[in-house]
This record gives sequence, C-alpha cells and structure tokens, in this order.
Amino acid sequence: DTEVTQTPKHLVMGMTNKKSLKCEQHMGHRAMYWYKQKAKKPPELMFVYSYEKLSINESVPSRFSPECPNSSLLNLHLHALQPEDSALYLCASSQGALGPSAVYNSPLHFGNGTRLTVT
Amino acid sequence: KNEVEQSPQNLTAQEGEFITINCSYSVGISALHWLQQHPGGGIVSLFMLSSGKKKHGRLIATINIQEKHSSLHITASHPRDSAVYICAVKRPGTASKLTFGTGTRLQVTL
Repeated sequence: DTEVTQTPKHLVMGMTNKKSLKCEQHMGHRAMYWYKQKAKKPPELMFVYSYEKLSINESVPSRFSPECPNSSLLNLHLHALQPEDSALYLCASSQGALGPSAVYNSPLHFGNGTRLTVT
Repeated sequence: KNEVEQSPQNLTAQEGEFITINCSYSVGISALHWLQQHPGGGIVSLFMLSSGKKKHGRLIATINIQEKHSSLHITASHPRDSAVYICAVKRPGTASKLTFGTGTRLQVTL
C-alpha cells in the first residue's frame, strides 16, 4: 500500500469540463510533486511544491493549475484540457528542503496515479 | 543521446533466475534512484544510492560513481517481480528534479 493517496483512480472528462485531481500524504513530507506519464514513457515533472510554495513549474500550460492548501494536500485543477493531455498523473512526496542549491537527497514516495482520459 | 540509459529495454526471465538491469549515466549526480512501476501505474521507490551497495530482500543495487554505472539485481526472481524498472538520477544543483531512464520492462514467467 502506498502512503501517498491519489483520487480519483480514473477520470474521464470532456474538453470543456473542469475537474481536480487530489493527492494526500501524512508522512510529514514538505515537498510534493506532480508528474505526467504517457504510455511507455518515463514520468515528466510538472510542478514541485516546497513548504507549500510552488518552487518549480516546468513550463506547464495554464490549463493545469496546481494548488497546495496545506502540507498534506496537493491538488491539480484541470480546465479546457486537450485529448493529448490524456495520461497517468502521478503525485509524489519527499522529505527535505528544496532550492536550486539543495543537495539533500531523499527517496520519493509515489501515489498510484490518476489515469486521465480527455474526450 | 539520453543522459540516462538503461539496458536491456525488455527482459524475459524464468522464475528463479538471477536478473541484472543496468543503468549508465553521462552527467554528475548526487543520487541515483531505482523505481519499480507495476502495470497498474503506481511507482515504488526501491533504492536511493549515492555510493556502494544496498540490499533489500531479494533486491540488490550497486553503483560505481567513477564509471557512472549502476546495476539492479534480483535474486530468485518471481512472477510478481514483473514490472518496469526505472533508473533516475538527481543532479547537483537541480533541486528536486530527476532525470529518468526509459525503463526496463521485466517479465518473469513460471
């Protein structure tokens, strides 16, 4: 069982819909991540939150909007998505402070992902 | 050329066999991760290495920093080991960004 919980497990949405993906961890981790993974490809980093502040945005289109309401929760709000946005969306968390010169390394804990289909 | 290369891309083994998956990287790193992804999608972090060797159950991971190479070994393989194994490296000064290999798809048959 994963200690990072993602909901929903599956989501089908139309291009005009607004939906949200949710991620929760109670390990006291202060860094949380969103990754996007297409079939048979490695995960691609989208966003990183460190101490509830957005620290990395990998030039993700604005139709994806992350939110970190508190240290345990991470949301990804979706609006006006395209069919090519269909993918597995993975949340992860880790301990430790972040920053451009951070050298602290800690394991990533991943959730089971939300499989998103945009029709 | 990818900064992180894995071999083989696909691997089929019989139950009980000793398995080795290799990862070579071309950049300086502060840590290397081995991850396991089952068909359902969830990813499990198996090891994080910066030097030497780690063992957990039937899994062993080694890293040679000078040669920029890491191996993941599975002893007495079992069908439940069937998954995609991903090598990922963390480069110094890149905060929390990992550079991923393309994965090795392992199928263990009875």
